[in-house]
Formats: sequence, structure tokens, C-alpha cells
Amino acid sequence: QKEVEQNSGPLSVPEGAIASLNCTYSDRGSQSFFWYRQYSGKSPELIMFIYSNGDKEDGRFTAQLNKASQYVSLLIRDSQPSDSATYLCAVTGKLIFGQGTTLQVKP
Amino acid sequence: GAGVSQSPSNKVTEKGKDVELRCDPISGHTALYWYRQSLGQGLEFLIYFQGNSAPDKSGLPSDRFSAERTGGSVSTLTIQRTQQEDSAVYLCASSATGGSEAFFGQGTRLTVV
Repeated sequence: QKEVEQNSGPLSVPEGAIASLNCTYSDRGSQSFFWYRQYSGKSPELIMFIYSNGDKEDGRFTAQLNKASQYVSLLIRDSQPSDSATYLCAVTGKLIFGQGTTLQVKP
Repeated sequence: GAGVSQSPSNKVTEKGKDVELRCDPISGHTALYWYRQSLGQGLEFLIYFQGNSAPDKSGLPSDRFSAERTGGSVSTLTIQRTQQEDSAVYLCASSATGGSEAFFGQGTRLTVV
């Protein structure tokens, strides 16, 4: 079992819709998580950090953490074509990434 | 420099040759990570350095791969006797501590012919 798992997609949503990206992890002791975004041909960049159960909002992005169920999710509201990228979930510390979910936002 | 710097940006090598990839982390960052990313794939963890602790080498795919970090700063990833399946982008990242935001370099694209 991989430490961090994501559906590779692609996930396709129309412009203006909510995109929901999910991630599960195997180590119940994991404390905090990152969401990174990677545009094609570019390096990953951090968009969210979450360590507490519940929701954390930053602009159009909301990260959700449920430690009992061992999943982390990222919601993108009012999706824009510029949000089209691969979204990577990672557990902090050793910084292990999931395989990433490719999001396509269609105009 | 202001960010993580990797060199070279591109490297073409012949099968069987050894290659060295360099990573200059952000000054003062104690944690340093190496990843391999094959075309269309995710980030494959290779190795993690944290301060003066022994590195976590659990992701190195074979004994042809090794890495060192000198003086808690610059790191070199060495691949011996390169194979075609080693062709990928190798990414380095650094963070202030083991649990803080990691910043990535631009990567080294390795092509083994």
C-alpha cells in the first residue's frame, strides 16, 4: 500500500464549477499535509498546508482533513482554465507525494 | 541565491556512463529532498536529508543511485552505470525544517541514450 494515494484522473470540470480532489494516506500517525500544484513542464508549488481536522480556506481553495478516515481533500471553487494542472497531495516530514490528480477546467 | 538551484538543467549521457546532478538549496534550509519524475508520472521519493541526521535513503531504486550532502548545504545525486530507464526529470527541494514548506528547483532533465 502506498503511503499517499490519489486518483490520477483526469478530472474534468466546466469553468465556474467546484473541483474536488481527494487523497488518502496510510500512516495514521501522519500529522500534517500539503497540497502542491504542478503546471505541465514546471516544478511543484505550494498552495495549501493543513494540520488540523476540519476545513481551512484560502481564497477559492479549501483544504479538508479527516484524520479518523485518513483522507485529505482540496476543493477549488469557481474553477478557472488557469487552474488546469496536476494537484499533488503530500504528507509532511519525509514529504512523500501521491501520484497527483490532473485537473482540466474547460471554458 | 533566492531559490533552489539545480545543475545542469539538461544532461544527455550514454548508457553505462556515470552522472552527477547538483542541488544548491536555499541558504539556511536544513531539509533537502530528491525526487525523480518520469514523463506523465508523479514525484517518486528518492532520499531525504534532515540536518545532521542520517539520510533517509529508502527511496533509492538501486545501489547505482547515491547522494550526499556536504556541510549541510549542497547535495549531489550520483547515478552510476546509467540505464535508459533512468531518463527522467530529477527534482530537488529544500525546506527550513522537516515539516515546513518545501521549495523546488527547476529540475535536471536526464536523457540516457
